[in-house]
Amino acid sequence: QSVLTQPPSVSAAPGQKVTISCSGSSSNIGNNYVSWYQQLPGTAPKLLIYDNNKRPSGIPDRFSGSRSGTSATLGITGLQTGDEADYYCGTWDSSLSARVFGGGTKLTVL
Amino acid sequence: EVQLVESGGDLVQPGRSLRLSCTTSGFIFSDYAMSWVRQAPGKGLEWVGFIRNKAYGGTPEYAASVKGRITISRDDSKSIAYLHMNSLKTEDTAVYYCVRSNGDYWGQGTLVTVSS
Repeated sequence: QSVLTQPPSVSAAPGQKVTISCSGSSSNIGNNYVSWYQQLPGTAPKLLIYDNNKRPSGIPDRFSGSRSGTSATLGITGLQTGDEADYYCGTWDSSLSARVFGGGTKLTVL
Repeated sequence: EVQLVESGGDLVQPGRSLRLSCTTSGFIFSDYAMSWVRQAPGKGLEWVGFIRNKAYGGTPEYAASVKGRITISRDDSKSIAYLHMNSLKTEDTAVYYCVRSNGDYWGQGTLVTVSS
């Protein structure tokens, strides 16, 4: 059971928008930066968002991140079939002194 | 170009030990903390631990699930990070990823299978 809670799956049509939630607590999301990772099938995870809402160079602005209280959200607009992947949130947990991840959300682009 | 290449994954029997290496290039290794993250077959990501860079003491932190059985170390002169695992259990079976800092770069992973 993951410290951070994500929905197991989300789906939307090409061109639409989807959001993926990540719920935690004051010891993790509430007081530490959140990152989001994309894992395409058969590949290593890739950083999409860091420090709650910053995008590394090369990540399109279709991907966005936000944090409010003890929850974080990843938004993806203009969905493409190539966005089908597993998405993970991650942050530091100050109580556990450990990095924690959400259980992952499988995005299906119908 | 930043590169992280893991090696050392293998099929090992329960109770044995294994050392994984993460050979890096394309950045100043000594400036960064290095982490290990694993992913069991069909499962999500699990943080294993990390080692700080020298400026922050060069000390490691480990996940509770593996503490006491693993050691993370680094050789800044060779730009290599290591994950040494002892008393391996079947539940340690996973792809092990080497990760720079909090995840801005990941290696391709190396598979560790623990089975008799």
